[in-house]
Amino acid sequence: KNEVEQSPQNLTAQEGEFITINCSYSVGISALHWLQQHPGGGIVSLFMLSSGKKKHGRLIATINIQEKHSSLHITASHPRDSAVYICAFNAGGTSYGKLTFGQGTILTVHP
Amino acid sequence: DGGITQSPKYLFRKEGQNVTLSCEQNLNHDAMYWYRQDPGQGLRLIYYSQIVNDFQKGDIAEGYSVSREKKESFPLTVTSAQKNPTAFYLCASSTRDRGRTEAFFGQGTRLTVV
Repeated sequence: KNEVEQSPQNLTAQEGEFITINCSYSVGISALHWLQQHPGGGIVSLFMLSSGKKKHGRLIATINIQEKHSSLHITASHPRDSAVYICAFNAGGTSYGKLTFGQGTILTVHP
Repeated sequence: DGGITQSPKYLFRKEGQNVTLSCEQNLNHDAMYWYRQDPGQGLRLIYYSQIVNDFQKGDIAEGYSVSREKKESFPLTVTSAQKNPTAFYLCASSTRDRGRTEAFFGQGTRLTVV
């Protein structure tokens, strides 16, 4: 069983729709990251969470430590949001910065 | 601006040749990492280094080697012993500030072995 599971694996939306990507993990963590990977391959860090909720523009990330679950929401989606979204975590007690990654969610937003 | 620079972005090599991927950071981060990404799979850790002149194997270190002679640089060599070297390689660095870890990523190198 993977330590981190993302759902859905693929997501197609129409421009303007509200999008949710989910991430569940099975171990204790010190922080969870949401990352965005564009077709060129480069990765951008969107959020780092250890509790609660963070918002940046149209992006919202939440985490529930007790349930070992995090969600990434995109409001008013736009074609430029099309990318792979990856959740990753630092496991508690391991070398800081070592990340365990989910498989990613491929998001395609159509105009 | 501070960041991580990987070069080159695309790299082609013949089978049986060693190849070295460059990763440089000017963020003054102690820790650096190399990950490999294959289609449909999550990123997997190859090697990491938390301090100069020290590094540790990750989950898939076989066929790879690294060095950390300078804080800024963490080159990865893909040796001929790596059975399936064609992949996307990502370098990352991290720092811990007041107990919180920040991770930064390079743009990646796509290696194709023919």
